[in-house]
Amino acid sequence: GQQLNQSPQSMFIQEGEDVSMNCTSSSIFNTWLWYKQDPGEGPVLLIALYKAGELTSNGRLTAQFGITRKDSFLNISASIPSDVGIYFCAGFPTTSGTYKYIFGTGTRLKVLA
Amino acid sequence: GAGVSQSPRYKVAKRGQDVALRCDPISGHVSLFWYQQALGQGPEFLTYFQNEAQLDKSGLPSDRFFAERPEGSVSTLKIQRTQQEDSAVYLCASSLGGPSEAFFGQGTRLTVV
Repeated sequence: GQQLNQSPQSMFIQEGEDVSMNCTSSSIFNTWLWYKQDPGEGPVLLIALYKAGELTSNGRLTAQFGITRKDSFLNISASIPSDVGIYFCAGFPTTSGTYKYIFGTGTRLKVLA
Repeated sequence: GAGVSQSPRYKVAKRGQDVALRCDPISGHVSLFWYQQALGQGPEFLTYFQNEAQLDKSGLPSDRFFAERPEGSVSTLKIQRTQQEDSAVYLCASSLGGPSEAFFGQGTRLTVV
């Protein structure tokens, strides 16, 4: 099935460092959602973006809806051990016809204490 | 309820057996989604309901997969004559409808032996 491209695929960082990841698509998207998934759990919504250029924060997390509407970025500042997990972007393309969220391939984050 | 609830959390089925997975969405949520997540992958769309109407079932992998939401609330995903390739986590999500945030349940891990 169709999936969005996320990069990097995985990353190891030191506690306290900032993290950046992005998500790209070949199609224009109307909405971007960012989720975090812990092992054995369902994805938990972190941030939702609805307008091109929109920049939204949730605590140490900041996400942006790209101007081209084909990409989105998530930044985590001052990482802590509990940030470890898999981060997924999701959105639905303007051509989908329904609100069918397409998911990215995920970025696996490991934080070294 | 407070969140999306799925049952059972874990299901082991013998090849050829039929299974039924249940999803209780957040009260008042119009939209309901089913996703399949293979190990190490992002969730892949299966089907989408708006109230009781199944508006998109383009992601169902075969005619062995069937989903229903007869009263516009609880939904059931049924898989007939299970195969080993059906082994995955099945995630349910609900939202208020339209381009709004989708909230996930914890998922049902199906193992076909």
